[in-house]
Amino acid sequence: EPEVTQTPSHQVTQMGQEVILRCVPISNHLYFYWYRQILGQKVEFLVSFYNNEISEKSEIFDDQFSVERPDGSNFTLKIRSTKLEDSAMYFCASSEPGPGLAGLGHIQYFGAGTRLSVL
Amino acid sequence: AQSVTQLGSHVSVSEGALVLLRCNYSSSVPPYLFWYVQYPNQGLQLLLKYTSAATLVKGINGFEAEFKKSETSFHLTKPSAHMSDAAEYFCAANFGNEKLTFGTGTRLTIIP
Repeated sequence: EPEVTQTPSHQVTQMGQEVILRCVPISNHLYFYWYRQILGQKVEFLVSFYNNEISEKSEIFDDQFSVERPDGSNFTLKIRSTKLEDSAMYFCASSEPGPGLAGLGHIQYFGAGTRLSVL
Repeated sequence: AQSVTQLGSHVSVSEGALVLLRCNYSSSVPPYLFWYVQYPNQGLQLLLKYTSAATLVKGINGFEAEFKKSETSFHLTKPSAHMSDAAEYFCAANFGNEKLTFGTGTRLTIIP
């Protein structure tokens, strides 16, 4: 069964360093997402990406964050200068094309996540 | 504000007993609703989805959920709990756009 894969499973970095979290969405999917879950808190939406551009982003997704689909298979989240409060589990998700408003109601398939620890 | 609320961060049931996990949403328009399950060290896996076609939705692993507009609820149930059901369960909604808004999650423990 197709799945979303994320690498690495655990990333440790020093405060102020740049990190890139990588995701390989399901191959025929067109909508891509990043979410994060700080320990003990809700899963929070960060950004959605469609047709090579950001379609929506949350207040969390400030100038320190960026996303990219550098080729036909990878989808990356970059944090330019990590802060202690960026420590969280980061989930990538993708959804397939379907009827209706882009992405609305579509099933999102999640990867296993990357645990980011900022020291 | 549009939100999803899950009552009970931890629920324990005996093996073979009914599982009931509660989810309520806050929105003037019924959203698309989802239940996801997360097993240890794994990603979020879809259990079921409500899209207005039917109020009672059947999902995988014997779970089902009933949408009640009057109660703004989408509670998850399973008639008989199994040890393998121990996991964290998340209710989520699409409120008019593609992003998912999640509840805080409910950790389900099964007592042998």
